[in-house]
Amino acid sequence: KAGVTQTPRYLIKTRGQQVTLSCSPISGHRSVSWYQQTPGQGLQFLFEYFSETQRNKGNFPGRFSGRQFSNSRSEMNVSTLELGDSALYLCASSPRGRITDTQYFGPGTRLTVL
Amino acid sequence: AQTVTQSQPEMSVQEAETVTLSCTYDTSESDYYLFWYKQPPSRQMILVIRQEAYKQQNATENRFSVNFQKAAKSFSLKISDSQLGDAAMYFCAYTYLRDTGTASKLTFGTGTRLQVTL
Repeated sequence: KAGVTQTPRYLIKTRGQQVTLSCSPISGHRSVSWYQQTPGQGLQFLFEYFSETQRNKGNFPGRFSGRQFSNSRSEMNVSTLELGDSALYLCASSPRGRITDTQYFGPGTRLTVL
Repeated sequence: AQTVTQSQPEMSVQEAETVTLSCTYDTSESDYYLFWYKQPPSRQMILVIRQEAYKQQNATENRFSVNFQKAAKSFSLKISDSQLGDAAMYFCAYTYLRDTGTASKLTFGTGTRLQVTL
C-alpha cells in the first residue's frame, strides 16, 4: 500500500495570505489527524477528521480549519498567515482512530511565512 | 492534563553499543497506550514501538525494547547494537481511550536527539 502523502512538500507564503495543505491517507484509512511541529512548541495536535466529520480539535485559533472529503482525503487551511505559523505540518492516518490503531505519518509540508 | 516529559535533549552512543532514552508521563486515565516514534532528518515520523498500559510485559521489536514502569509512570526505550541509521530524533508519545471509544490525540514529549558515532 502507498503511504500517507502530503502536498505540497514545501511552501513559502507572506503574512496575511492564506494557504491550503493536502493529505491523502493510506487506502482504507478513514481517520486523518493533523499536527503542527515547531522548534519552540514541539508537536501540537490541530484536529482529527473521521468520515468527513471533525471528531477532535486542539487549541488553535479559528484561522486554522480543515475538512475531509468522501474519499478520506483531508485539507487544512490557514487564513491570515502570521510569522508564527511557520512550521512543519504533519498529517497522520489510521483505519478508524481507535486506540488499537497505529497512526502512520506523512512526510509533512514545510510552511515558511515571510 | 496529560503530559509527556523527555529530560534528555541529546544523547550519543557508539555504534554497536546500547543506549537508553528516558520518558515520564502524567495521566489519570487507566486505558492508555505509549509509543516511541523516530523522526530522521527526512522528517517523516516512524513508529518504533508501542506499549499497551494494561500489559505488564515490556514490548520488544528486534533491537528496540521498552522498560515500562506503570506505577512510576516511566517508559524508557533501549536500543541495542546501535546502528548509524538509528541517528534521529526520538519522541515519546501517549494516547488514551476517550469516552467516545476512540483514541485521544497523540501527546508528544519534546524529543531526544540521538547521535550515533563510529
